[in-house]
Amino acid sequence: QQPVQSPQAVILREGEDAVINCSSSKALYSVHWYRQKHGEAPVFLMILLKGGEQKGHEKISASFNEKKQQSSLYLTASQLSYSGTYFCGTVLTGNQFYFGTGTSLTVIP
Amino acid sequence: NAGVTQTPKFRILKIGQSMTLQCTQDMNHNYMYWYRQDPGMGLKLIYYSVGAGITDKGEVPNGYNVSRSTTEDFPLRLELAAPSQTSVYFCASSYGLLAKNIQYFGAGTRLSVL
Repeated sequence: QQPVQSPQAVILREGEDAVINCSSSKALYSVHWYRQKHGEAPVFLMILLKGGEQKGHEKISASFNEKKQQSSLYLTASQLSYSGTYFCGTVLTGNQFYFGTGTSLTVIP
Repeated sequence: NAGVTQTPKFRILKIGQSMTLQCTQDMNHNYMYWYRQDPGMGLKLIYYSVGAGITDKGEVPNGYNVSRSTTEDFPLRLELAAPSQTSVYFCASSYGLLAKNIQYFGAGTRLSVL
């Protein structure tokens, strides 16, 4: 029942945009987004609550459509520092948190 | 503020040995979590706690035990270590339910069982 992310991996040149999708087979109340760099702990980016809201964090924003049980993360004008693995996550059962399958993002000069 | 502190940072165990991974948070968070992350994979929840004296199983609890005697500490016990437990272990905490709250992570413990 782990959320599924797409694409699995993406390579961008600096300045290009990317979209990462997160889908669940179960109803979602909220979605978290994290970025993890190699050898480090996940770092929280944002949380979206149901209501179709969008949130932004510098040039990174996200949307959440609870009816479609989906969330998307938008990275605009990518920078080298955006490289890492992005995970969505959500509470699916009781208070159990499930991370998504992950998307590896590499930004090259 | 220290946030979430995990010790040790690295450990090598022999098959069948036991150890305790320590996790302490100084944010007065009620909720604490243990995750494991296998190479190239996402994080999976092992156990969690909603307060002192209350713990519950996550997705992958087999081979582990936890206790929560204080708000600050949430140790993870590995009994009879097996190679399948080679992983990076992350502890996290949150003020409230994850449906609405952020979780903060420790730096992780890298464990190899040989």
